[in-house]
Formats: sequence, structure tokens, C-alpha cells
Amino acid sequence: KAGVTQTPRYLIKTRGQQVTLSCSPISGHRSVSWYQQTPGQGLQFLFEYFSETQRNKGNFPGRFSGRQFSNSRSEMNVSTLELGDSALYLCASSLAGNQQGSYGYTFGSGTRLTVV
Amino acid sequence: AQTVTQSQPEMSVQEAETVTLSCTYDTSESDYYLFWYKQPPSRQMILVIRQEAYKQQNATENRFSVNFQKAAKSFSLKISDSQLGDAAMYFCAYRSENSGGSNYKLTFGKGTLLTVNP
Repeated sequence: KAGVTQTPRYLIKTRGQQVTLSCSPISGHRSVSWYQQTPGQGLQFLFEYFSETQRNKGNFPGRFSGRQFSNSRSEMNVSTLELGDSALYLCASSLAGNQQGSYGYTFGSGTRLTVV
Repeated sequence: AQTVTQSQPEMSVQEAETVTLSCTYDTSESDYYLFWYKQPPSRQMILVIRQEAYKQQNATENRFSVNFQKAAKSFSLKISDSQLGDAAMYFCAYRSENSGGSNYKLTFGKGTLLTVNP
């Protein structure tokens, strides 16, 4: 069974540019979450999608956005990149539906974004 | 809002010995789940063990076990017979059992870097 796949693994962008990251969840998982990991702030929640609907959003500026497609694949977009956006972006998928139950989250290996 | 605190930024243990990583959390909810995740240098977060808050029995997974103290809001991870492959960053995480917007997420602690000495 394939795991959570994130592409690309590494990305270098210039300030002011925009970037799109992709996440393919485990087959059958309809919940996809995104997290930003930095040495200073640790792991911070960005947003969560279920069946193409954003159910929860973290405390990030509007430059951060996402979406989920009908096949549960998800993308996140960051516009007008700032140096502080340099981070590891992790995607996680879950079997959890409207009732969360005891399902855990399976993470991908992340996309390392460097803004120069 | 829930918070998770890991008070030990770094820990070290000798191979084959036992180590305990601490985690405390703050919540007003009664139904929730707690997790320990391991993040090796490969970056992928790997689920080590989970605990349902309604279960009094502590979870165990092979060499990994937890000490869950609900009243004290404490959730420590014990690693027995430590192996070199256990070296990683360990994160404690909280998730609400309830449905509804703000509950659909994991809240993480800052992590504990575990070094295993041969």
C-alpha cells in the first residue's frame, strides 16, 4: 500500500514568487492536513480538508491557501513568498471522517521549501 | 485551546537502557487522543503509539509504552531496551475526539531530541 506522497521533495524559490506543493494521500483516506515545521515555531497546523471541503484552518495569513480534489489529492499554495516561509511542509492523511474516531494520521516525507 | 508541552528539549540514553520522555497537555475536553510520533533525519513522521483518553489501561507497542495520567494531564513515553535506530526527534500530539471545525487537527509539542549512545 503506497504511503502519503509529497512532491517535490525540495524547492528553492525567490522572495515574492509563489509556490504550489502537492500531496497524494493513502488510497481511501479522505482527510488531508498540512503542517509547517520550523526550528523556531515547531509544528504548526495550516489547514485540513475532507471531501474537497476545508474544515479547519490554522492561524496563517491569507497568502497560504489550499484545496482538495475529488480524488482526495491536495495542493497548498503560498503566494508572495517571504524569507520566513522557509520550512518543511508536511502533509498527513487519515481515515477519519465526520466522526474522528481513533484514526491516526499518516505523514508524508515533506517538502523542504527554501526562500532566498 | 489545547496546548502540549514537552519539557525536555534533549535526552540521551545508552543502548539497551530505558528512557522516559515527558509530555504534559492542557485541555478542558474529556474525550481526546494522544499520540507519540517519531521523526528521524529522513523527516517522515512515524506514529509510535496512541492512547484513547477514555481507556485507563496504558498503551504498549513492543518496546514502547506510555504512562497516561489523565487527572494530571500527563502522557510520558517509555522506551525499553533502546536501540540505535530509536535516535530521532519525538513529538507528543493531542487530538480532540469531538467533531467540528477547530477539532480537525493535531496539536504538537516542541519535541524531544533523543540520542542513543552505543
